[in-house]
Amino acid sequence: DIQMTQSPSSLSASVGDRVTITCRASQNISFYLNWYQQKPGKAPNLLIFAASGLQSGVPSRFSGSGSGTDFTLTISSLQPEDIATYYCQQSYSVPQTFGQGTKLQIK
Amino acid sequence: QVQLQESGPGLVKPSQTLSLTCSVSGDSISNGNSFWSWIRQHPGTGLEWIGDINYSGNTYYNPSLKSRVTISVDTSKNQFFLRLSCVTAADTAIYYCARLTNTAEFDPWGQGTLVTVSS
Repeated sequence: DIQMTQSPSSLSASVGDRVTITCRASQNISFYLNWYQQKPGKAPNLLIFAASGLQSGVPSRFSGSGSGTDFTLTISSLQPEDIATYYCQQSYSVPQTFGQGTKLQIK
Repeated sequence: QVQLQESGPGLVKPSQTLSLTCSVSGDSISNGNSFWSWIRQHPGTGLEWIGDINYSGNTYYNPSLKSRVTISVDTSKNQFFLRLSCVTAADTAIYYCARLTNTAEFDPWGQGTLVTVSS
């Protein structure tokens, strides 16, 4: 199985801050990397597909980058409604695997 | 708008079989454009992919669960199903169904259903 490792596990930032979350794959997954946002008590919601594609309806302050083994999710200006846990997921091979999550909080 | 909805018992006894249904609206499983997936989330922890099925019944399972999992589909009802046998407390989780798109993202997801394994 491909292991996905996110950092940090938790993050506290202020409204308006630029926030970066990283995801590292245990082997080359090309651009087969997706990002999800999960708010408390809700199902995950797709934010970014294929490493950098912005899902329809997702605010443009969210962006993704990377390829191979190292990937980044960036929020350009943190908003209060962005409080959530963020997961990366590789779709390169079965079994699809997720990172352990990054919990984002407001300072 | 595509929507998925999980249903099934919220409590299952140890050693029994967990059975869930996912009802799909706004898209047809018969279209053949997607796979249909089950994913679970243990309380307070991360996400674990269980398996997928397509309209013709082709399945992929997580090797860690493969010996206990069966996913099936009923295209006439636009539903797909999860059966997990010989459950233990370690199978207590929120179970989600989701569409796996042809570009390999899980989108959308159902709201999830909590299944507790307890006597």
